[in-house]
Amino acid sequence: DSGVTQTPKHLITATGQRVTLRCSPRSGDLSVYWYQQSLDQGLQFLIQYYNGEERAKGNILERFSAQQFPDLHSELNLSSLELGDSALYFCASSPSYRVNTEAFFGQGTRLTVV
Amino acid sequence: QQQVKQSPQSLIVQKGGISIINCAYENTAFDYFPWYQQFPGKGPALLIAIRPDVSEKKEGRFTISFNKSAKQFSLHIMDSQPGDSATYFCACEQVTSGSRLTFGEGTQLTVNP
Repeated sequence: DSGVTQTPKHLITATGQRVTLRCSPRSGDLSVYWYQQSLDQGLQFLIQYYNGEERAKGNILERFSAQQFPDLHSELNLSSLELGDSALYFCASSPSYRVNTEAFFGQGTRLTVV
Repeated sequence: QQQVKQSPQSLIVQKGGISIINCAYENTAFDYFPWYQQFPGKGPALLIAIRPDVSEKKEGRFTISFNKSAKQFSLHIMDSQPGDSATYFCACEQVTSGSRLTFGEGTQLTVNP
């Protein structure tokens, strides 16, 4: 158990809908990272928050947004869902703004868009 | 642009053998190089990592060899075990105002008993 908690584990929704994925980082970790894993794109960085502020942004679609709350949990919002958004979404956390202080991944949320 | 190239895509090794997975990167701004292990249905788990000022790091049966001038690094798994069967990802960290990992495509390792 990495200590990073992601909910829900599985999500099935229809095209055009909006979903929210939740991540609770390990105790004491200030950074939260979101990654998307799909068969064709592999593991892709989406966005990083550090202590409530956005710190780095990857190729995150405009239909996607994220935030980190004062209690440090984070939510990834995916809207106007398309079939191609079906993927595993992972959250990771680390103590500092850098991964090299050891980032731990959660178990992921499997999103299926039908 | 694929900044991190990983090979081979799949690897089959006999129990007790050596597994070797290679990665090559392009961006000289990368300065931290972890390897992750992922089992089906699980998130990636940090296995071992190296910084560019070191050419080799060993932890138990796992060794990273790093060649900064060639922009290549590799994972060696000694005495491979069936329990090592998993997907392995190399990654490179780039730091700007924050941090991001760029992952290789992954290697599916199968260790036969």
